[in-house]
Amino acid sequence: AQKVTQAQTEISVVEKEDVTLDCVYETRDTTYYLFWYKQPPSGELVFLIRRNSFDEQNEISGRYSWNFQKSTSSFNFTITASQVVDSAVYFCALSDGNNRLAFGKGNQVVVIP
Amino acid sequence: NAGVTQTPKFQVLKTGQSMTLQCAQDMNHNSMYWYRQDPGMGLRLIYYSASEGTTDKGEVPNGYNVSRLNKREFSLRLESAAPSQTSVYFCASSLVVPQETQYFGPGTRLLVL
Repeated sequence: AQKVTQAQTEISVVEKEDVTLDCVYETRDTTYYLFWYKQPPSGELVFLIRRNSFDEQNEISGRYSWNFQKSTSSFNFTITASQVVDSAVYFCALSDGNNRLAFGKGNQVVVIP
Repeated sequence: NAGVTQTPKFQVLKTGQSMTLQCAQDMNHNSMYWYRQDPGMGLRLIYYSASEGTTDKGEVPNGYNVSRLNKREFSLRLESAAPSQTSVYFCASSLVVPQETQYFGPGTRLLVL
């Protein structure tokens, strides 16, 4: 069965600090996809990134970056120079061959001005 | 282009009442999904429809039924609501290609008294 673990439930940082969110996954599939979604206080789910299991290149998008390490089954997410608008719950998710997503429990990020 | 829409936004039910949550997408996606989100639990898949005419159970299907009305619409029905079904319900859609990104609707907040 697919499983995603996000160990840190709530993380508080002062504005402009960096914050890293850990995501560890379990799967028996050789081909799989990993995702990160953001859920701001308004409640909607916003897609951030999709990464397949064959692509271990790190990715950077503005202040966001992702580190995928297949050897440790981890797909960690870093926000650099955090801003108040980054305050949200962030979910890591893993899809199976039928595109069913297994979500972690989420990381609540609170950015203090 | 509205993406994924859900109605209603909020609903209060009494135990034993029935209701249908509606979901529609205008992105010409083939696959559609229903998730529920409970505090501290992440999102869990209730049912999904890989393509028009098919539906399958997810992780937590008990107490729910679904109908894939056409390519655009996928409804979730609670026949006899229970307090344990108090939750936020999200509909999502994706292309049929395996492990494509799922895009989410704004959610329906349901309270069962």
